[in-house]
Amino acid sequence: AQRVTQPEKLLSVFKGAPVELKCNYSYSGSPELFWYVQYSRQRLQLLLRHISRESIKGFTADLNKGETSFHLKKPFAQEEDSAMYYCALLTGANNLFFGTGTRLTVIP
Amino acid sequence: GAGVSQSPRYKVAKRGQDVALRCDPISGHVSLFWYQQALGQGPEFLTYFQNEAQLDKSGLPSDRFFAERPEGSVSTLKIQRTQQEDSAVYLCASSFSDRSHEQYFGPGTRLTVT
Repeated sequence: AQRVTQPEKLLSVFKGAPVELKCNYSYSGSPELFWYVQYSRQRLQLLLRHISRESIKGFTADLNKGETSFHLKKPFAQEEDSAMYYCALLTGANNLFFGTGTRLTVIP
Repeated sequence: GAGVSQSPRYKVAKRGQDVALRCDPISGHVSLFWYQQALGQGPEFLTYFQNEAQLDKSGLPSDRFFAERPEGSVSTLKIQRTQQEDSAVYLCASSFSDRSHEQYFGPGTRLTVT
């Protein structure tokens, strides 16, 4: 069975500080992982996926199969980064399995 | 262009009533997904369509839940004899192909069962 764990429900950082949102997973197959973000009063949207190895809005995430982690990082947080962040695993059945989310607040 | 739309945006139902939630996916998107999001939780998968075929309904919590996509575009999620535990936000998502992993989400329908 699959599992996605986001240990922090709430995370607050000061503007300009580094931020790391943690995600650990458990999956018997080859994992494909995503970060989705929901800004205030907006719909859920894809932030980045591990297979594309890109940086979006300054965020990066590296898949670490040894530690079964896919932490989201940004070196300098901005106020506009305040949002709800969900880590998600693509299952073999082609649907997404989401973690419970981390609400990030960037303090000015 | 137009994104995924859902209607109604809010629905209040008395316990025992039937409800129907509609999803209009992005035009041309083959895959359509329904998720249920309870308060304080992440979205949980309910069911998946590829065109008009319902390929996976393993996440539907009971036989009171039924989904259809008869012409391979618009989808309806129906909940019969609603219960309080059905109160949640119901999200619809679509993607371009069956292996296109970027899912585009609608705004959701917030269902409250009183």
